[in-house]
Amino acid sequence: TQLLEQSPQFLSIQEGENLTVYCNSSSVFSSLQWYRQEPGEGPVLLVTVVTGGEVKKLKRLTFQFGDARKDSSLHITAAQPGDTGLYLCAGGSGSARQLTFGSGTQLTVLP
Amino acid sequence: ETGVTQTPRHLVMGMTNKKSLKCEQHLGHNAMYWYKQSAKKPLELMFVYNFKEQTENNSVPSRFSPECPNSSHLFLHLHTLQPEDSALYLCASSLGQGARSFGSGTRLTVV
Repeated sequence: TQLLEQSPQFLSIQEGENLTVYCNSSSVFSSLQWYRQEPGEGPVLLVTVVTGGEVKKLKRLTFQFGDARKDSSLHITAAQPGDTGLYLCAGGSGSARQLTFGSGTQLTVLP
Repeated sequence: ETGVTQTPRHLVMGMTNKKSLKCEQHLGHNAMYWYKQSAKKPLELMFVYNFKEQTENNSVPSRFSPECPNSSHLFLHLHTLQPEDSALYLCASSLGQGARSFGSGTRLTVV
């Protein structure tokens, strides 16, 4: 069974601060997706990374896929209250038809 | 607007009731999914349909019965549920094994 562990589980910071959340596994994934889920809504895809060592930037968000494709990180620069939400990583494997989701990091950015 | 619509948004039902959740996608995707999201637990995949044929059933109790009449519609029929079945039920769709587009979910409370 493939497992994805996300850390920290909860993070509360002030507006303007930087933060990094992590997604780790002992399994190799062919792709890694990050989603953000706001209260009362379903998860929304932010990015997909597929190559070991790949770095993708989405405005103030930087996503990195580990060289061995077992881990990923999400770095947010100058966080804003609108970044508040549950951040989920999900790993895809070429041999499996389903994504493996982590349990998420609940981020709160205080004004 | 994600292109995946779920109804109802909220549902309270007794343990002897029968109810159905509905999901509709307007994205032209060929795969549809039901997920269960409980507090502090990763998203749990329940069922997968590919071109309206069920391809995954992750040991879900028979009190949950899915129905997929076509590639755009998915139902989850509920009967004799237990209080521990209270959760957010998310529908998603995808093109092949690609990223999931999620609906806003149905918040189910079993009393």
